[in-house]
Amino acid sequence: GAGVSQSPSNKVTEKGKDVELRCDPISGHTALYWYRQRLGQGLEFLIYFQGNSAPDKSGLPSDRFSAERTGESVSTLTIQRTQQEDSAVYLCASSLSPSDGYTFGSGTRLTVV
Amino acid sequence: KQEVTQIPAALSVPEGENLVLNCSFTDSAIYNLQWFRQDPGKGLTSLLLIQSSQREQTSGRLNASLDKSSGRSTLYIAASQPGDSATYLCAVLSDMRFGAGTRLTVKP
Repeated sequence: GAGVSQSPSNKVTEKGKDVELRCDPISGHTALYWYRQRLGQGLEFLIYFQGNSAPDKSGLPSDRFSAERTGESVSTLTIQRTQQEDSAVYLCASSLSPSDGYTFGSGTRLTVV
Repeated sequence: KQEVTQIPAALSVPEGENLVLNCSFTDSAIYNLQWFRQDPGKGLTSLLLIQSSQREQTSGRLNASLDKSSGRSTLYIAASQPGDSATYLCAVLSDMRFGAGTRLTVKP
């Protein structure tokens, strides 16, 4: 595609429910990144994919968070048993390789009520 | 662990001023550095990418420099305009780490 696509753009969920966030990277981009941005805060690194493997998942805050990637295509970030502290914008980016510039999607705004 | 710091955290200037935003990093063994802008409630838009072998990059009124030996990058904005108001973030790509950003307000 022309850009990085994220869905849904907005998600409101009840505390304790599971949610799945989707990211479609630019075609041909081997590297994919997930970040979290809480209101008024900077970007918090979550996980990095090279192809369908995750060399760095050091930023995942707890075992309630997991992510997968299918080949060099779509990635899903899953949050189980959501908590109010999970409320944030989740941003996805992709790049041709780890040393190339990132292109970001518009993000998914997650609100846990 | 790479730490990326941006100073100042916020900056307010009158229209037409030239200004400099600073980004410092602790580990100089970096690949590349990228500057972004983020408008309120929006995603990140890439401004400039500086390869590790380069000293600077220019795009229109924007100029970014990179000094790996001192662990610094600067983003220079010439003749600022109200439309430049946004948060500016720098990212050390090899470490996938971002600074907290500088919130810029340009007053008409």
